[in-house]
Amino acid sequence: DAGVIQSPRHEVTEMGQEVTLRCKPISGHDYLFWYRQTMMRGLELLIYFNNNVPIDDSGMPEDRFSAKMPNASFSTLKIQPSEPRDSAVYFCASSLNRVGTEAFFGQGTRLTVV
Amino acid sequence: SQQGEEDPQALSIQEGENATMNCSYKTSINNLQWYRQNSGRGLVHLILIRSNEREKHSGRLRVTLDTSKKSSSLLITASRAADTASYFCATSYNTDKLIFGTGTRLQVFP
Repeated sequence: DAGVIQSPRHEVTEMGQEVTLRCKPISGHDYLFWYRQTMMRGLELLIYFNNNVPIDDSGMPEDRFSAKMPNASFSTLKIQPSEPRDSAVYFCASSLNRVGTEAFFGQGTRLTVV
Repeated sequence: SQQGEEDPQALSIQEGENATMNCSYKTSINNLQWYRQNSGRGLVHLILIRSNEREKHSGRLRVTLDTSKKSSSLLITASRAADTASYFCATSYNTDKLIFGTGTRLQVFP
């Protein structure tokens, strides 16, 4: 397996534009996590899914953020409209079917909103 | 909010020395994990220790867990320049959430 695949690796967009980040988890993994990493706030859990169902989205900062997982092999994180303070590295991670098992991370998407 | 906090925030040592990083957390946990992050890369899992374990080894890594103090430590023995990275502890407790600490930046000089 190629691991967790995120796209794009880098995204530069103008304030107000819609941004969509994509993630393909490892096949067979039941959990998918979206994290955001910044110097100021560290690594924050935004939302996670179990078997394609959103379980906890309490970390999503605002209504501008939304995440979907239409099937077991694909998830998106959308920001609409984007703001400069959304600039960060966004990571997707997946793990097997039990709580607290090893999480496998993608390479991240570096988002810059100008 | 972050569950764990690492100490120190940054650590600089010479090759061959040992590096010790500490993690404190707030609530009861199921297990605690340590991850490594090289600059510009995703996190990589290093080791997992369960709440009923006190010590675990993996190669040059040694992890201890003290549930009474809500703390864990990661020891890297005989460090190498390639160990230069940020190290994070992560905990999961009453839910499936995996929450990361603030991280320790380790610099190993050749």
